[in-house]
Amino acid sequence: DAKTTQPNSMESNEEEPVHLPCNHSTISGTDYIHWYRQLPSQGPEYVIHGLTSNVNNRMASLAIAEDRKSSTLILHRATLRDAAVYYCITNAGKSTFGDGTTLTVKP
Amino acid sequence: GAVVSQHPSRVICKSGTSVKIECRSLDFQATTMFWYRQFPKQSLMLMATSNEGSKATYEQGVEKDKFLINHASLTLSTLTVTSAHPEDSSFYICSARKGGGNQPQHFGDGTRLSIL
Repeated sequence: DAKTTQPNSMESNEEEPVHLPCNHSTISGTDYIHWYRQLPSQGPEYVIHGLTSNVNNRMASLAIAEDRKSSTLILHRATLRDAAVYYCITNAGKSTFGDGTTLTVKP
Repeated sequence: GAVVSQHPSRVICKSGTSVKIECRSLDFQATTMFWYRQFPKQSLMLMATSNEGSKATYEQGVEKDKFLINHASLTLSTLTVTSAHPEDSSFYICSARKGGGNQPQHFGDGTRLSIL
């Protein structure tokens, strides 16, 4: 699995967009990029995933760099419920979680 | 869709007891299930990967005789912590996935295990 690097923490104001970056410079050509988030004392929740093209769903958007060495999770309008630890992982078989980014949303 | 149920949510038991945790995919068939443990303020640590009908693959440093994993059907995997001791106290989380690495994982809500 490719190692991923994310900032330890980020802050956002409520109802503003949030861009969460992830570096995965050693990603292989067949690895998908997955994003999950975790609230305290809960299991992680799937957010979005993609391979090469940008992806959108009801929760977020995923922008993937052309060389696939980095990606950005975009929350278009952060709410207080979006405060969580966000994990970016790449996998072609198993999943190894890094330390993730703790997102704080200020009212 | 893609609901994973993990049971029990919390266990408190005496040292030496064996504890079984169940992980069920309720609305899909999971070809692969994963078991993680998570200590406070830390990330998820992968313990083992199991495919239906075959032996689990354990990560380095995880004792297979201590953490018994059974994945007998496409909707059920169990983790048994044998002869649990206080150092086994942790948050255990399972996930299930249908298909290969291009498919997302769906996680249970975790089991808080406390060994006295």
